[in-house]
Amino acid sequence: DAEITQSPRHKITETGRQVTLACHQTWNHNNMFWYRQDLGHGLRLIHYSYGVQDTNKGEVSDGYSVSRSNTEDLPLTLESAASSQTSVYFCASSESGQETQYFGPGTRLLVL
Amino acid sequence: AQSVTQLGSHVSVSEGALVLLRCNYSSSVPPYLFWYVQYPNQGLQLLLKYTSAATLVKGINGFEAEFKKSETSFHLTKPSAHMSDAAEYFCAVSDVKGGSARQLTFGSGTQLTVLP
Repeated sequence: DAEITQSPRHKITETGRQVTLACHQTWNHNNMFWYRQDLGHGLRLIHYSYGVQDTNKGEVSDGYSVSRSNTEDLPLTLESAASSQTSVYFCASSESGQETQYFGPGTRLLVL
Repeated sequence: AQSVTQLGSHVSVSEGALVLLRCNYSSSVPPYLFWYVQYPNQGLQLLLKYTSAATLVKGINGFEAEFKKSETSFHLTKPSAHMSDAAEYFCAVSDVKGGSARQLTFGSGTQLTVLP
């Protein structure tokens, strides 16, 4: 069955380290999204991509970057992790022109 | 700009009672509206969506929502709560960005507790 996976599921890192969170989908969706979830804020969009080599900033993109070298993967990189980036991160994907997004299981990141 | 307001961050109901979760939106274009559910330690699952067809939308697990343009609301209801409905519920609004692709803006979520 097609799916969307995230790895790792849990990560502890130190302030200042670079961290990369992986997202992989097998639906062949063109659109991919990264969100962070924090209490009281719901989900906020970090970056998104509408296809290979396309990336765009979302509402809370500072300190994060993404790259899209193929259809299946959109890794999220924290250039220099900060305690404010402690959060749960969700990846999602959708078909071109379709509004429904499908979410991965999430990555829980703790920055000490 | 679009936004979503979910009234009540925590809602408690007794098993068998009516579930009502409130969502109001603002959007500069005709919106698409969604309800997602998140069970503990899981990702979000789509419950139902409104995409400008019927204003009363039926979803999975007995949930439904009614789009009311005059009230800018999209409240989620279920006639009889079940223990398995305990979860966090997110309302989201979508508009068109960059052509046909749509982005979602989420509300802050409502945690539903079902009491025995």
